Amino acid sequence: AQSVSQHNHHVILSEAASLELGCNYSYGGTVNLFWYVQYPGQHLQLLLKYFSGDPLVKGIKGFEAEFIKSKFSFNLRKPSVQWSDTAEYFCAVSGNTGKLIFGQGTTLQVKP
Amino acid sequence: DADVTQTPRNRITKTGKRIMLECSQTKGHDRMYWYRQDPGLGLRLIYYSFDVKDINKGEISDGYSVSRQAQAKFSLSLESAIPNQTALYFCATAGGQNSPLHFGNGTRLTVT
Repeated sequence: AQSVSQHNHHVILSEAASLELGCNYSYGGTVNLFWYVQYPGQHLQLLLKYFSGDPLVKGIKGFEAEFIKSKFSFNLRKPSVQWSDTAEYFCAVSGNTGKLIFGQGTTLQVKP
Repeated sequence: DADVTQTPRNRITKTGKRIMLECSQTKGHDRMYWYRQDPGLGLRLIYYSFDVKDINKGEISDGYSVSRQAQAKFSLSLESAIPNQTALYFCATAGGQNSPLHFGNGTRLTVT
């Protein structure tokens, strides 16, 4: 069965600090990987996705993620966070069933 | 995303009542999903549908049922609501297996 685990539940950073949010998944076949962001009071929006090819994918707003197959990981990174990055971040995985499973989410608070 | 519309936006109901949450989309997508969001648990998949004749259970389908009335409409029902079904419910659509999800604005349901 598919599962996704996000290790950091609540992260607090100062502006300009670097960010890395951990995501590990469990699935036996070919996976598609996603990071979504949910700003306060809003619905989820896609940050970036990985299907195949270059394991380092770049998304919107300066975010990137690296797929490491041997570690079953898809960590999200940003070199320098801004106050406007305050949000909840979700990692998600889908396999060949098309069923998209989400992790528990990580709340990021950026202090100005 | 106005392309995926959920009604109502907020609903308060009593234990034992039947309630239906509606979702309609203008994106022309075949795939539709219902998730619930709870603090600390992320989004959990309730049901999903890949076309009008295809309905699949997700991670937490007990206590819920769905109806895919048309390609554009996918409704979620709680036959007899209970307090632990209090949550934020999201409908989402996708154009294909590798496509990202497009979310509605959510329905906040409170069961007293």
